[in-house]
Amino acid sequence: AQSVAQPEDQVNVAEGNPLTVKCTYSVSGNPYLFWYVQYPNRGLQFLLKYITGDNLVKGSYGFEAEFNKSQTSFHLKKPSALVSDSALYFCAVKGSGTYKYIFGTGTRLKVLA
Amino acid sequence: GAGVSQSPSNKVTEKGKDVELRCDPISGHTALYWYRQSLGQGLEFLIYFQGNSAPDKSGLPSDRFSAERTGGSVSTLTIQRTQQEDSAVYLCASSTSGSATDTQYFGPGTRLTVL
Repeated sequence: AQSVAQPEDQVNVAEGNPLTVKCTYSVSGNPYLFWYVQYPNRGLQFLLKYITGDNLVKGSYGFEAEFNKSQTSFHLKKPSALVSDSALYFCAVKGSGTYKYIFGTGTRLKVLA
Repeated sequence: GAGVSQSPSNKVTEKGKDVELRCDPISGHTALYWYRQSLGQGLEFLIYFQGNSAPDKSGLPSDRFSAERTGGSVSTLTIQRTQQEDSAVYLCASSTSGSATDTQYFGPGTRLTVL
């Protein structure tokens, strides 16, 4: 069965510091991995995805994520956090031949000024 | 260009009433999805439409839930005889073709409150 784990309910980081939001997955076959951000009373906004190729994927708003096959992880990172990055972040996975996302439970990021 | 739109943005209803939620996907996207976001269940898949194929209804929680997609574009999610546990945010998404590598683009959601 496919699954996604986001082990941290909340991550606090000081503005200007690097941030990491963790995601691990379990899927049969090749994984297709996605990150979304959700601001209050808004839908999910796409940040980036890994399909194949370079393990380091760059996305919107300065975010990047690294695919690690041996650790089955796809952690979201940003070198320097902004207060405006404070939001709810979701990791999602699809296996080969599937079309529906399996979402993690979400991680609330709080960037402190 | 225009993104996915949903209406209404908020819906408050009484237990036992029927509700209809609407989704307008991105123009040209053949795949359309409904998800539900609730505190206890996180984000869960409800239903998937792809072109003229039969929809995948495997995520619908009960037979009170139904959805249709007319003309390959607009979709309506209907909940009959609403219950308090139906209170959630209902998110619609669309993608170009429904393949596993497709990115799904989400609408702002409809917040449903059942009193």
